Amino acid sequence: ETGVTQTPRHLVMGMTNKKSLKCEQHLGHNAMYWYKQSAKKPLELMFVYSLEERVENNSVPSRFSPECPNSSHLFLHLHTLQPEDSALYLCASSQELVRVGANTGELFFGEGSRLTVL
Amino acid sequence: AQSVSQHNHHVILSEAASLELGCNYSYGGTVNLFWYVQYPGQHLQLLLKYFSGDPLVKGIKGFEAEFIKSKFSFNLRKPSVQWSDTAEYFCAVNARNYGQNFVFGPGTRLSVLP
Repeated sequence: ETGVTQTPRHLVMGMTNKKSLKCEQHLGHNAMYWYKQSAKKPLELMFVYSLEERVENNSVPSRFSPECPNSSHLFLHLHTLQPEDSALYLCASSQELVRVGANTGELFFGEGSRLTVL
Repeated sequence: AQSVSQHNHHVILSEAASLELGCNYSYGGTVNLFWYVQYPGQHLQLLLKYFSGDPLVKGIKGFEAEFIKSKFSFNLRKPSVQWSDTAEYFCAVNARNYGQNFVFGPGTRLSVLP
């Protein structure tokens, strides 16, 4: 149990579907993140939210749309995805945004949502 | 751009062998450094972290890592591995001037043979 729960764990969707990934953290953290983990590639940061405000968007295509209604919940809305978007999508949280030299940098990860786009 | 490299894609060891996994990063300023581990079918979890002070940091399960600033390195070590250490290991760096971006290395898969 990580304190970060992701649903669904597995999702198969067609390129014309609309679906959403959900993340919930029970740790009282203020910052939440979406990462993409593809085979044989480093983890890619997609979005960062702090106190429900988006603070970073790493040139992610608009077919991925994040939503953070409160500091405990984070969504990733998916529409018209491509097969190359198939990957493991990881949600993480941290106590606050990381500050270099401060002991607040640990990310707590969920188990991920395995997405397959047909 | 900031980057993290890990020397080996896949390491295979026998139980009781010593382990050292290399990690180098490209940023020259102040950084926070991390090692994460992902056991098969499980979530990423923190092994250890360095923020400041003693460059030799100890983590869970007998792991330690040494920060060598002059070499931009943060190598992970364990004197005697166990079969249960089979997992994927990720080095990560965070630097203030790169925003909130944890930059992860590509990972090293460790297989420990019983």
